[in-house]
Amino acid sequence: QKEVEQDPGPLSVPEGAIVSLNCTYSNSAFQYFMWYRQYSRKGPELLMYTYSSGNKEDGRFTAQVDKSSKYISLFIRDSQPSDSATYLCAMKAGNNRKLIWGLGTSLAVNP
Amino acid sequence: NAGVTQTPKFRILKIGQSMTLQCTQDMNHNYMYWYRQDPGMGLKLIYYSVGAGITDKGEVPNGYNVSRSTTEDFPLRLELAAPSQTSVYFCASSYFGLAGSYNEQFFGPGTRLTVL
Repeated sequence: QKEVEQDPGPLSVPEGAIVSLNCTYSNSAFQYFMWYRQYSRKGPELLMYTYSSGNKEDGRFTAQVDKSSKYISLFIRDSQPSDSATYLCAMKAGNNRKLIWGLGTSLAVNP
Repeated sequence: NAGVTQTPKFRILKIGQSMTLQCTQDMNHNYMYWYRQDPGMGLKLIYYSVGAGITDKGEVPNGYNVSRSTTEDFPLRLELAAPSQTSVYFCASSYFGLAGSYNEQFFGPGTRLTVL
């Protein structure tokens, strides 16, 4: 079993839809949870991060962590064509030097 | 700040040839990483460095070598290129403090390598 599981999609939604992207993990020591966004032919960029459990909101984006279920989510409200990208979850434990990455979910938002 | 820069952007190699992928960061980050990304396979860590003169293996180090003589530069060397090394290579850097945190990684634009 991989430490981090993420459905690679692809996911295709109409403009304005609410998008839900998810990852599950097996290591209960993970404390930092991140979502990176990667546009085609570009490097990933940090979109949001959360420490431990709870929600974090930034504009149209909300990140949720449920440590009891070992499940993290990224919600995108009022999705736009400019949100079309691959979304990668990443996580780490405490002072660990390396991130553990999901495979990434490819999202297409159609105008 | 230029951030993380990588050269070349594209390269085609013949089987058995060697090359060095260059990576430079100007953010004074102590940590640097090399990843490869294959379609549908996510990011695989090749090597990383926690500071000048210190490197360590990641998940997929075979066929690669690294060195870190300065804080800014972290070149990746491919010896005896094989078709299995066809991939997109990303260099990244981050600042890792004593307390630990989410340690945002900043990525370069990538190098697309094809081995024929």
